[in-house]
Amino acid sequence: EAGVVQSPRYKIIEKKQPVAFWCNPISGHNTLYWYLQNLGQGPELLIRYENEEAVDDSQLPKDRFSAERLKGVDSTLKIQPAELGDSAVYLCASSLGGDRSQFFGPGTRLTVL
Amino acid sequence: TQLLEQSPQFLSIQEGENLTVYCNSSSVFSSLQWYRQEPGEGPVLLVTVVTGGEVKKLKRLTFQFGDARKDSSLHITAAQPGDTGLYLCAGDDAGNMLTFGGGTRLMVKP
Repeated sequence: EAGVVQSPRYKIIEKKQPVAFWCNPISGHNTLYWYLQNLGQGPELLIRYENEEAVDDSQLPKDRFSAERLKGVDSTLKIQPAELGDSAVYLCASSLGGDRSQFFGPGTRLTVL
Repeated sequence: TQLLEQSPQFLSIQEGENLTVYCNSSSVFSSLQWYRQEPGEGPVLLVTVVTGGEVKKLKRLTFQFGDARKDSSLHITAAQPGDTGLYLCAGDDAGNMLTFGGGTRLMVKP
């Protein structure tokens, strides 16, 4: 069974440019999470989806960040415009229903110059 | 906001030594998970503990959930270089929400 797939793995952009990350969760997993992880720290939740509905986006900086999961499967996280402080690893995770176990993708490492 | 504090933040030991990593909070969690993360990869779930006082063993790793479900520990016996990585604890608030600790970076030298 394939794990959580993320692309791209690495992205380098200049500040003020837009960037998008894509995530395909494990087949059948209805809950999808986007996390931000700074170097040497634990992941911080940005947004959680139950199917296509965003049920917790309180930590998402909505002035520049947006996310969508239109068909309740794969998801896209966008930053526009990117700032220097957005440099981090963006992790996607998925879980199945009431199962608390989350499975993480390899992440996208974003560098904003 | 529920906070999880991990200690130590960094640990460098020789192969064969034992170590313990701690995860503490003032909040009660319905369950607590331990993850291990290697450079360039996402965290991988090691174990989930649910019951206060629960002890789970995974080969050389022993996980314990505090009686009050506010803290947990991870003990590694006879550490090996392959154990090197970032160890993360994460508390579940019973709402499909995980709060992660800051992590313990372990280096095991041969």
